Amino acid sequence: AQTVTQSQPEMSVQEAETVTLSCTYDTSESNYYLFWYKQPPSRQMILVIRQEAYKQQNATENRFSVNFQKAAKSFSLKISDSQLGDTAMYFCAFMRGGPGNQFYFGTGTSLTVIP
Amino acid sequence: NAGVTQTPKFQVLKTGQSMTLQCAQDMNHNSMYWYRQDPGMGLRLIYYSASEGTTDKGEVPNGYNVSRLNKREFSLRLESAAPSQTSVYFCASSESRAYYGYTFGSGTRLTVV
Repeated sequence: AQTVTQSQPEMSVQEAETVTLSCTYDTSESNYYLFWYKQPPSRQMILVIRQEAYKQQNATENRFSVNFQKAAKSFSLKISDSQLGDTAMYFCAFMRGGPGNQFYFGTGTSLTVIP
Repeated sequence: NAGVTQTPKFQVLKTGQSMTLQCAQDMNHNSMYWYRQDPGMGLRLIYYSASEGTTDKGEVPNGYNVSRLNKREFSLRLESAAPSQTSVYFCASSESRAYYGYTFGSGTRLTVV
């Protein structure tokens, strides 16, 4: 079974600063994908960034980047130059390769950006 | 706008009542999913449909039924609602290989009293 752990229920960061959200996962699979989703107060789930496990290079999307440590089964999200619109719940998610396509989500980290 | 449409957005039910949550996508996706979101527990899969005509149980299927009406629509039915089913329900869709993630609907907040 796959498990995803987010050990920081709440975090805060000053506007324009950098913050890192932690995520660890447990799996015996060798082929899998990792994702970060953002859920603002509107409730909409928005894909932030994704990482293929077979790629060593860390994914980057504008101000968002990940630190993927496959051996340690760690997948943290770094948000640079934090903006007020980044205030949201952030979910780390795991998907194994192959049939099924089921996401396994962590319990989320509530991020507040302080003006 | 293209995407996943869920109805209703809010619903209050009495214990024992039944209702159907509707979901439709217009992206020609093969796979569709129903998740529930509870505080402190993330999102958990209720049922999914890998393709039209097929449905499979997820992690928490008890108390629910689903219908994949056609490629666009995937409904979730509560036959006899219980307070434990108070939650936010999300429908999502994806390509057959969901390596690029899901597209989610905006959710239905359901309260069972």
